[in-house]
Amino acid sequence: AQSVTQPDIHITVSEGASLELRCNYSYGATPYLFWYVQSPGQGLQLLLKYFSGDTLVQGIKGFEAEFKRSQSSFNLRKPSVHWSDAAEYFCAVGGGGSQGNLIFGKGTKLSVKP
Amino acid sequence: SAVISQKPSRDICQRGTSLTIQCQVDSQVTMMFWYRQQPGQSLTLIATANQGSEATYESGFVIDKFPISRPNLTFSTLTVSNMSPEDSSIYLCSAAGESTAREETQYFGPGTRLLVL
Repeated sequence: AQSVTQPDIHITVSEGASLELRCNYSYGATPYLFWYVQSPGQGLQLLLKYFSGDTLVQGIKGFEAEFKRSQSSFNLRKPSVHWSDAAEYFCAVGGGGSQGNLIFGKGTKLSVKP
Repeated sequence: SAVISQKPSRDICQRGTSLTIQCQVDSQVTMMFWYRQQPGQSLTLIATANQGSEATYESGFVIDKFPISRPNLTFSTLTVSNMSPEDSSIYLCSAAGESTAREETQYFGPGTRLLVL
């Protein structure tokens, strides 16, 4: 079955500390992987995506993610967290934009301590 | 990237009534989708809005409850019919770019926050 697992429901980090949000997926075909962020009361904003090629992808706001096929993982990282990064983060997998729907994880809520 | 707007942004409705949500994209797109995000939950796909034909619904969602229209390549509507409090959710529209390439990204609208009393 196709699924996305985000094992951490809620993470709290101090401002300036590094961050890693975990994402594991199960997908029968070549996965297209995405990270979205949802700030309170807002819609979803795309942080980054992986289609093919270099397994380390750079996104907006200083985020990066690494695709590890052997581990079926696509973890999101940021070297230094800012207070404005507090939000909910969703990992998603799909077959590509024209191929249909995205399967989302349940999200990880990030809190940032001053 | 496509810019997507939704109307209304939020609404409070009485049970038994219906609400139609509009989704407008600033460019022609091949694919449009409707998702539901129940309180504290992740996103679940309701249906794919097909231009010029009936929408394709996911398991657990039916046309009578969630009729969808897509009259052209930039606009779609989702109606939540005969609402109950269980329909209280955020409804999000997404669009997948200007080509049929697989390397297309889904962009999301800001969502419509619905509360049913």
